[in-house]
Amino acid sequence: SQKIEQNSEALNIQEGKTATLTCNYTNYSPAYLQWYRQDPGRGPVFLLLIRENEKEKRKERLKVTFDTTLKQSLFHITASQPADSATYLCALDTGGFKTIFGAGTRLFVKA
Amino acid sequence: ETGVTQSPTHLIKTRGQQVTLRCSSQSGHNTVSWYQQALGQGPQFIFQYYREEENGRGNFPPRFSGLQFPNYSSELNVNALELDDSALYLCASSQGGLKGDTEAFFGQGTRLTVV
Repeated sequence: SQKIEQNSEALNIQEGKTATLTCNYTNYSPAYLQWYRQDPGRGPVFLLLIRENEKEKRKERLKVTFDTTLKQSLFHITASQPADSATYLCALDTGGFKTIFGAGTRLFVKA
Repeated sequence: ETGVTQSPTHLIKTRGQQVTLRCSSQSGHNTVSWYQQALGQGPQFIFQYYREEENGRGNFPPRFSGLQFPNYSSELNVNALELDDSALYLCASSQGGLKGDTEAFFGQGTRLTVV
């Protein structure tokens, strides 16, 4: 079955540094991959979508890469701020209607 | 805010009872997906409705059922509640239909506690 792995340990970084989060997947070749942000007790908020034929995508301070050979996506937040502290979820399509999510990585940015 | 609203925000039920959760999708969206999120886990896909028809289902038993109405709002019904059903239930609306590569807008969720 499809499996998505995100770092289960929280990531602690200093304000101003670049945060890098990892999403690895197995047993599937998704056509696209999405990243969401989730704050405690709230629903996920869409951040970026990257397709299998795109190596990299950027949006303001965010950058996502997608390596279909390594079956891995990296999510970068540059010049991180305490307000970036949240859980970040990786999500893969499974061919149509169903999107599957990883368990998420908790990011803490210290001032 | 996403424009997707869920009700109620919190709910406590007793094991064996039935519950109905509601979702009002974003204007113009014809697709609603429901997810269950246990504490510390990612959202797990329950099912999706597109133009009032269920067009996909995850690994959940038949006691999880749903409806989508002509205005594209939706309900999730869970019968014979079990303690493990305690979770945050999320509704997501999109304009994707059978195409999954569109942005989904999530509601704030309903926190269900089964005691």
